Amino acid sequence: AQTVTQSQPEMSVQEAETVTLSCTYDTSESDYYLFWYKQPPSRQMILVIRQEAYKQQNATENRFSVNFQKAAKSFSLKISDSQLGDAAMYFCAYRSAGTGAQKLVFGQGTRLTINP
Amino acid sequence: SAVISQKPSRDICQRGTSLTIQCQVDSQVTMMFWYRQQPGQSLTLIATANQGSEATYESGFVIDKFPISRPNLTFSTLTVSNMSPEDSSIYLCSGGGGTGELFFGEGSRLTVL
Repeated sequence: AQTVTQSQPEMSVQEAETVTLSCTYDTSESDYYLFWYKQPPSRQMILVIRQEAYKQQNATENRFSVNFQKAAKSFSLKISDSQLGDAAMYFCAYRSAGTGAQKLVFGQGTRLTINP
Repeated sequence: SAVISQKPSRDICQRGTSLTIQCQVDSQVTMMFWYRQQPGQSLTLIATANQGSEATYESGFVIDKFPISRPNLTFSTLTVSNMSPEDSSIYLCSGGGGTGELFFGEGSRLTVL
C-alpha cells in the first residue's frame, strides 16, 4: 500500500519570504499523481498544485512550485512571496494512475503560519 | 473542475442517533469518495461510493455503521449510525474522474454529545 509522509507538523515564515514544505511517499508503482492541497480554517480542501509522475518537469502555479524527485520519492512544495492568505494546513497526497476507483492517500499535514 | 456541495455544514447530535450527510456535484463524476477527518488529523478514506451498487469500504469501516448510497453520477449520501462521541469529526465528500485530482466539498462538521 502507498504511504505519504510529511515530517514537518508545523512551519512558519515571514510574510513575503519563501518556505518549503516537505513530502515523501512510498510506492512500487511507476505511474501516479501527486498533489498538494490546502485546507484553511473554512475546512474546504483546495487543490494547490498537481504533478504527473511521468513528467520530468516540475509543476508551477504562480507562487507555488514543486520539486519532484521521482527516484528519491520526494515531492516538496515551495511557496514564494508568502502571503497572509497562505496560512492553512497543507496536505500532500498520492493517487495511483491505475484502473479502477483510485483514492487519494494523504500525508499527516503541515500547519503553515505566516508572520506579518 | 467540479463544484461539490454538502449538507448539513455542521450539526450537533445526541448519542445513539443517526445523521445523513448529502453530497451534490454540479457535474457527472466517475468517482465519489467519503473521507473522515478527526480533530487535528489528516483525512482517512471511509469508502468509495459506487453508483447503483454497494459501496466499497476501507479497513475499519463497515456498512452497518456508515451506510452509503449513490443513486446517480452526481449525488451520494453518507449516514453515520448509532453515533457516539468518537464519531465527532469532519466528514468530506470528494469526486472526480478516473485520473487526476479529486474535488472536495466544504465538509460537514459533526459533534456528538
